[in-house]
Amino acid sequence: DTGVSQDPRHKITKRGQNVTFRCDPISEHNRLYWYRQTLGQGPEFLTYFQNEAQLEKSRLLSDRFSAERPKGSFSTLEIQRTEQGDSAMYLCASSFPTSGETQYFGPGTRLLVL
Amino acid sequence: AQSVSQHNHHVILSEAASLELGCNYSYGGTVNLFWYVQYPGQHLQLLLKYFSGDPLVKGIKGFEAEFIKSKFSFNLRKPSVQWSDTAEYFCAVNANSGYSTLTFGKGTMLLVSP
Repeated sequence: DTGVSQDPRHKITKRGQNVTFRCDPISEHNRLYWYRQTLGQGPEFLTYFQNEAQLEKSRLLSDRFSAERPKGSFSTLEIQRTEQGDSAMYLCASSFPTSGETQYFGPGTRLLVL
Repeated sequence: AQSVSQHNHHVILSEAASLELGCNYSYGGTVNLFWYVQYPGQHLQLLLKYFSGDPLVKGIKGFEAEFIKSKFSFNLRKPSVQWSDTAEYFCAVNANSGYSTLTFGKGTMLLVSP
């Protein structure tokens, strides 16, 4: 399968713990996006990379959130000192910069903070 | 800022009924428009997209959508739904200028009864 992959698919953690998620985009895609989706809502943008550069961050991304894409390939999203409000589905998408580019989504990582 | 409004949170139809899901967006410039679908247990998949040209676009599985610029609308239609169309449908928009993150609506859950 050459689609976007995410790991882990599910994560249960206790409040205050740190968690890290990984996203592997489609190989030729140099743009990578992170979104968060909570129950009853559509995905909400968190941050965006072009190659290894993080070009935009949403105000939703508090100081406890950090994302990296060190070699312009896979990306990690870390949440420090998790809170119950962080419980959500974290989605990764990738795209190739063409006119009217389409973002392709991974299966997501579902986080539950107890 | 961009925003997307989907008119119905839940729609229940019988097989063979016609479907129309409403989507309106708010943005002052030129936009790209998308409908994504999420089948139970699966990840978001692109159903169809509009960038320019013919405002009536056709997607996979017999879906189509019409862009009406004057109404800021991009409604999704299918003449005859099937049980397998049961899914959540998301309308999304991004600005047609360089890179741009997607803004999603809250989604419409479609349940098709056999």
